[in-house]
Formats: sequence, structure tokens, C-alpha cells
Amino acid sequence: AQSVSQHNHHVILSEAASLELGCNYSYGGTVNLFWYVQYPGQHLQLLLKYFSGDPLVKGIKGFEAEFIKSKFSFNLRKPSVQWSDTAEYFCAVTASGGSYIPTFGRGTSLIVHP
Amino acid sequence: ETGVTQSPTHLIKTRGQQVTLRCSSQSGHNTVSWYQQALGQGPQFIFQYYREEENGRGNFPPRFSGLQFPNYSSELNVNALELDDSALYLCASSPTGGVAKNIQYFGAGTRLSVL
Repeated sequence: AQSVSQHNHHVILSEAASLELGCNYSYGGTVNLFWYVQYPGQHLQLLLKYFSGDPLVKGIKGFEAEFIKSKFSFNLRKPSVQWSDTAEYFCAVTASGGSYIPTFGRGTSLIVHP
Repeated sequence: ETGVTQSPTHLIKTRGQQVTLRCSSQSGHNTVSWYQQALGQGPQFIFQYYREEENGRGNFPPRFSGLQFPNYSSELNVNALELDDSALYLCASSPTGGVAKNIQYFGAGTRLSVL
């Protein structure tokens, strides 16, 4: 079974600061990787995904993530955060060719001060 | 906003009672999953239904059960409620084909409080 670790549970930044949220997974096979975001008062929604190909993937609102297979990592980055990026961020993994059921990390709460 | 709707939005029950939560999937999605999200935690997988059959189950006891109907709407039933069942319950549907099946489209959730 797979597992996901998100090392930063709470992150507080000022606007224009750079962001990197860590995500590491544990699974011996090929994986699909996801970041989901939950803005205050809204549904959990997909931010970006990696299935195969270029390990640097770009999502909505200027976010990107890099899959580093040797490190079992899929860190989320944004060069310059905005107040509207305040949200909960969840990393998730599914096993390729498996049951399509994701395992989620416990999430990171990001607060961006204007 | 996704097309997944859940009802009710909030619910208060007492220990030992039974509860039914409902979910309407996004149009065209025939797979539905249920998750429990405790405060400060990520969603924990309860079970998944595909074409009205249970298609996978997480580490939850049998008092958590579900149904999926021909129109792909779904129910989560919890019997003999315990205090630790207090959580946000999320429903998610996913598309039918290819790698897109891995993507979950979530509803807003039902907040269950057990007193």
C-alpha cells in the first residue's frame, strides 16, 4: 500500500514570497501524483497532476510541481504567492494500473498575508 | 465548482444512532468514492462504488456501508455511531475512461457531529 507524507503542516508567508511545499510518497511501483487544493469555503479541487512524461508539470494559478523519482517526491512550487492562495493543499498518489483510489497526505495549511 | 452535490451539509447525531448521507455524482461519472476527513487530516478512503458494486474498501469497520443507484447517486450509511465518527464526509466521483479515472471530483461534504 502507498503512503504520503507532507512535512509542512502550517506555512505562513507574505505576498510575493516564494512557496515550496514538500510531498514524499512511499510505493515501489509506478505512480500517478496529484496536488489538490481547498480554498476557504470551497470544494476540494485538483490543482495539478502527473501521469507520465515531463516530470515538471504546471497547474492552475501559476503553480507547478516536479516529480523526482529517485527521491519519491512531488513538491509543489509557486514563485510568488498571492493572498488568494491561502488554502489547504493536499498531495495524493495512486498506483498506476491499480484501483485508481488515491492516498492523501494530511495536508498543509497555507496562510498568505497581504 | 464540481457537479457533485451532497446532502445534508451539516448533521448532529447522538452516539449509537444511525445516519445516511447522500451524494449525487457529476454527470457522466459512474464511479463514486467516499472519504472521511477528520480535523487537521487528509481525506481517508472509506469505499468506492462502480456500476452499483463495491469496488474497493479502506480500513473502516462493517458498520460503514454504502449503496450506488442506477443513476449513479450514492449513499453512505453509518450504524452505531461513535464519537470518533465526527468528521467531514466527502463524496467524490470520477470519469469512466483512461487515466482520468484517477481524478477525483469532490462535493462540499457533510459535516457530521456525534454527541
